[in-house]
Amino acid sequence: AQSVAQPEDQVNVAEGNPLTVKCTYSVSGNPYLFWYVQYPNRGLQFLLKYITGDNLVKGSYGFEAEFNKSQTSFHLKKPSALVSDSALYFCAVRDKVRDDKIIFGKGTRLHILP
Amino acid sequence: DAEITQSPRHKITETGRQVTLACHQTWNHNNMFWYRQDLGHGLRLIHYSYGVQDTNKGEVSDGYSVSRSNTEDLPLTLESAASSQTSVYFCASSSGSYNEQFFGPGTRLTVL
Repeated sequence: AQSVAQPEDQVNVAEGNPLTVKCTYSVSGNPYLFWYVQYPNRGLQFLLKYITGDNLVKGSYGFEAEFNKSQTSFHLKKPSALVSDSALYFCAVRDKVRDDKIIFGKGTRLHILP
Repeated sequence: DAEITQSPRHKITETGRQVTLACHQTWNHNNMFWYRQDLGHGLRLIHYSYGVQDTNKGEVSDGYSVSRSNTEDLPLTLESAASSQTSVYFCASSSGSYNEQFFGPGTRLTVL
């Protein structure tokens, strides 16, 4: 069965420092991978996705993510954090072969400290 | 602009009552989804639909039902509300299996 794990419930980063939010996945075939962000009292917003091709995917608000097949990871990164990046981040995976529904991780709360 | 809306945004009800949460999208997406969000559980899929007259159970479907009579709407019904169904409910839609989902603003449901 497909699954996705976000090993950190919370990540604290100083403003201006690089940030990483971790995600690992398990699927039987090749994955579709997604990152979403949720601001307080709002629905989730799409940030970026990996379907195929270049392992480094660029998305909204300066975020990027690196697909690593050997480590089954899809970590979210940003070179320089902003206080406004503080939010809840969700990784999601879908198995291409099984054409199954998307599974979301439990979320990682990112705090950017001024 | 296309959008996805949910109503009501907040609802308080009593145990045993039937409750229906509305979801309406103007993206003309075939795929629609209902999730619940709870602390410690992230988002969990309740029901989903890949088109008119198509509905499927997600991982936490017990006590919930949906129907899809047109492309735009996927109402979620709680047949007999229970306190365990107190949660924030999100509706989402997408145009295809490899495409991102667009989420509504959510409905906060409290069952007393």
